[in-house]
Amino acid sequence: AQRVTQPEKLLSVFKGAPVELKCNYSYSGSPELFWYVQYSRQRLQLLLRHISRESIKGFTADLNKGETSFHLKKPFAQEEDSAMYYCALGDTGNQFYFGTGTSLTVIP
Amino acid sequence: GAVVSQHPSWVICKSGTSVKIECRSLDFQATTMFWYRQFPKQSLMLMATSNEGSKATYEQGVEKDKFLINHASLTLSTLTVTSAHPEDSSFYICSARGTSWTREQYFGPGTRLTVT
Repeated sequence: AQRVTQPEKLLSVFKGAPVELKCNYSYSGSPELFWYVQYSRQRLQLLLRHISRESIKGFTADLNKGETSFHLKKPFAQEEDSAMYYCALGDTGNQFYFGTGTSLTVIP
Repeated sequence: GAVVSQHPSWVICKSGTSVKIECRSLDFQATTMFWYRQFPKQSLMLMATSNEGSKATYEQGVEKDKFLINHASLTLSTLTVTSAHPEDSSFYICSARGTSWTREQYFGPGTRLTVT
């Protein structure tokens, strides 16, 4: 069963426009949700974790248990935000589930 | 902190030979390491999970005799691709979890394997 769903494979926005990358999950226990980012030719990097409730590079993500979502948002997209974004879920065991990723392109 | 390295970063080998890829946690102890495979423009596919000192747990469809994983210490795990074939050509990525952290994983830079 697909634990993490990212419905958009590709997303393009103009510089300065708001951006939202969607992530929905399916898990009955207490998950930990993460956003990872992969810039061109670089390793996967942890961007956000839901338990920290932090803002990194202007990005925020709120865990909505009612909607089982963990959407990633930024009010004003920048060109350097262009990258591949993966939503991930860590379960109470040792399992980690990645979404299929969303490729974000910020148009200058 | 939380740096994971991989060696080599790329390797070319002939069909039928074996290749070993190392994954090291440089500044923390990793009780659990993961090995992934990533195809171009696709998400990561988990191959196996290895805990220090015990046998790796392989995902369905991953041949354990072909992809040998050893996690001999808290800072080193190795993946050996045995009798490599061109279809094994891929990007192999390892990640690690620390001993007392939350569930996030920290990723190595990946190893590009090309089998000719």
